[in-house]
Amino acid sequence: QSALTQPASVSGSPGQSITISCTGTSSDLGGYNYVSWYQQHPDKAPKLMIYDVSNRPSGVSNRFSGSKSGNTASLTISGLQAEDEADYYCSSYTSSSTWVFGGGTKLTVL
Amino acid sequence: EVQLVQSGAEVKKPGESLKISCKGSGYIFTSYWIAWVRQMPGKGLEWMGIIYPGDSDTRVSPSFQGQVTISADKSISTAYLQWSSLKTSDTAMYYCARQVSSRGPVENWGQGTLVTVSS
Repeated sequence: QSALTQPASVSGSPGQSITISCTGTSSDLGGYNYVSWYQQHPDKAPKLMIYDVSNRPSGVSNRFSGSKSGNTASLTISGLQAEDEADYYCSSYTSSSTWVFGGGTKLTVL
Repeated sequence: EVQLVQSGAEVKKPGESLKISCKGSGYIFTSYWIAWVRQMPGKGLEWMGIIYPGDSDTRVSPSFQGQVTISADKSISTAYLQWSSLKTSDTAMYYCARQVSSRGPVENWGQGTLVTVSS
């Protein structure tokens, strides 16, 4: 079971928007609308930011949004803030009734 | 308040066995899935498997099949991750987390248990 593919790093300046991509296959991301995104700050547990492709849990800023097209999902963060600097992971349900994470993307706020 | 409290850090030698725990509180333990996630030093998250404490239905990632055992004791609201013979490559932080359903996202996370395997 291969990990989903994410860029290793992205960066942006405060106030800008960035998008992180996550690519899978028809056996996982492309086959289901069960895609989640997690934020992880150093030495902290991950935090759920987006679920079911585009839904935000209560308490998550509306600057975070998700989408999916085919085998690729995307997380967009608008109005970048210093506190957004973290690692971001996508995750998808799979045809094996299990889940798989992406390799993670380090977001740097310049 | 939903809480998942994990057992403390462990230092073990290769070949030893280990069982770490995750105690849920603040919700009906038997109504939600518990997932286990590995994070090796400086690396990304890896989904290991889930268990539904209500009936012990368990799903394990093919990457971890045969390497670990996931179990739960619903009488004490505790899930477990177990190894029969540790390897140095098992050195990692292990998180437990709550999933609403087997297809649902991981919503609440434990604080993590650091397992160090070294001779």
